[in-house]
Amino acid sequence: NAGVTQTPKFQVLKTGQSMTLQCAQDMNHEYMSWYRQDPGMGLRLIHYSVGAGITDQGEVPNGYNVSRSTTEDFPLRLLSAAPSQTSVYFCASRQGRSTYNEQFFGPGTRLTVL
Amino acid sequence: SQQGEEDPQALSIQEGENATMNCSYKTSINNLQWYRQNSGRGLVHLILIRSNEREKHSGRLRVTLDTSKKSSSLLITASRAADTASYFCATSLYNTDKLIFGTGTRLQVFP
Repeated sequence: NAGVTQTPKFQVLKTGQSMTLQCAQDMNHEYMSWYRQDPGMGLRLIHYSVGAGITDQGEVPNGYNVSRSTTEDFPLRLLSAAPSQTSVYFCASRQGRSTYNEQFFGPGTRLTVL
Repeated sequence: SQQGEEDPQALSIQEGENATMNCSYKTSINNLQWYRQNSGRGLVHLILIRSNEREKHSGRLRVTLDTSKKSSSLLITASRAADTASYFCATSLYNTDKLIFGTGTRLQVFP
């Protein structure tokens, strides 16, 4: 099992550009989520999905879109990148909605917006 | 405002010493979890303690939970250089499926 994979590992964008951060998991997990990690702020939830075709907003959703067409993939789209979106982005997955199930994290994507 | 806040923000110890870090939270929880993050890597789940549990052990890890004080502590005994990492608590709020992460404690263990 590869677990949770994310691509790219690093990305530099200019203000206003758009891009998609990829996330995939091979554990057949229903629940997937995206977090951003900023210094001194911990991890903040951006969007999450409880299954294919179902997504919802987290704590900091503005400027990001998600979709979930398959169980395996949960891409995060930046519509028009801003310097405030410079951060490290983590994708996570777990089996089902219950937080008693172990959550697995990908290795992260470090994004810089100039 | 943060649901979970760790204390201290940073901790430096020698190999063989014990490391204790604390987490405080604001609202009722289902469970509380601790994660480790090595530099430049993703988070790894360490241990989960339910709201009706007071103490839990896993290898060299000991977690306590005091729901009356809304606080938890993570004790790593006999620390090793490989324990150098950031440690985060995450709370599962009552009746939700979201995990709210704290700000983390950076632990440095010197050989």
